[in-house]
Amino acid sequence: QVQLVQSGAEVKKPGASVKVSCKASGYTFSGYYIHWVRQAPGQGLEWMGWINPKSGGTRYAQKFQGWVTMTRDTSISTAYMELNNLKSDDTAVYYCARDPYDILTGYDYWGQGTLVTVSS
Amino acid sequence: QSVLTQPPSVSAAPGQKVTISCSASSSEIGNNYVSWYQQFPGTAPKLIIYDNNKRPSGIPDRFSGSKSGTSATLGITGLQTGDEAVYYCATWHNGLNTGVFGGGTKLTVL
Repeated sequence: QVQLVQSGAEVKKPGASVKVSCKASGYTFSGYYIHWVRQAPGQGLEWMGWINPKSGGTRYAQKFQGWVTMTRDTSISTAYMELNNLKSDDTAVYYCARDPYDILTGYDYWGQGTLVTVSS
Repeated sequence: QSVLTQPPSVSAAPGQKVTISCSASSSEIGNNYVSWYQQFPGTAPKLIIYDNNKRPSGIPDRFSGSKSGTSATLGITGLQTGDEAVYYCATWHNGLNTGVFGGGTKLTVL
């Protein structure tokens, strides 16, 4: 069965970086884009960007350009999202989700979410 | 402010029907497909409608979707208490070249 399993919760200090992983199983990893979406406490969903596991190509929301990096390791079917220079308002649950396209057409599988807490 | 506007909350009685609107602020969403997600507290969102009006396997036909121009609508009939959740619409914004979500609508089944 299709699964996206994310790494565990993180606590970081302001200015630090965090790297969240998303391990895919049950399907051909290169066949679907991995999109990243975050949700601050009590807030809505915010699209961050995607990575094409086949080519490694990426697209980021303008807000995150320059301080987010999405990568993948095809040998272990895992995508990564690294966010730098963390601020307190980056405290959120970060989700990975798959889509067959590079535009948001429908995320049929999501990771369980990774809570990143930024606090001094 | 979200590019996609949803009502913050809707409510209806068990067994009734409810609709949730999702309106784009510009025509930049063009002909892109709208998807809808259901989210319970503490869990990841779940896809309930994609390509404007298609239901994934396992989603009951009580859930329906439609799109006209720059607006989309989620319909839920035969409301059950288990439908109480937050519902989000989403699509691709051509101008911003990003995915966009509505602000979410909390459904209360009275």
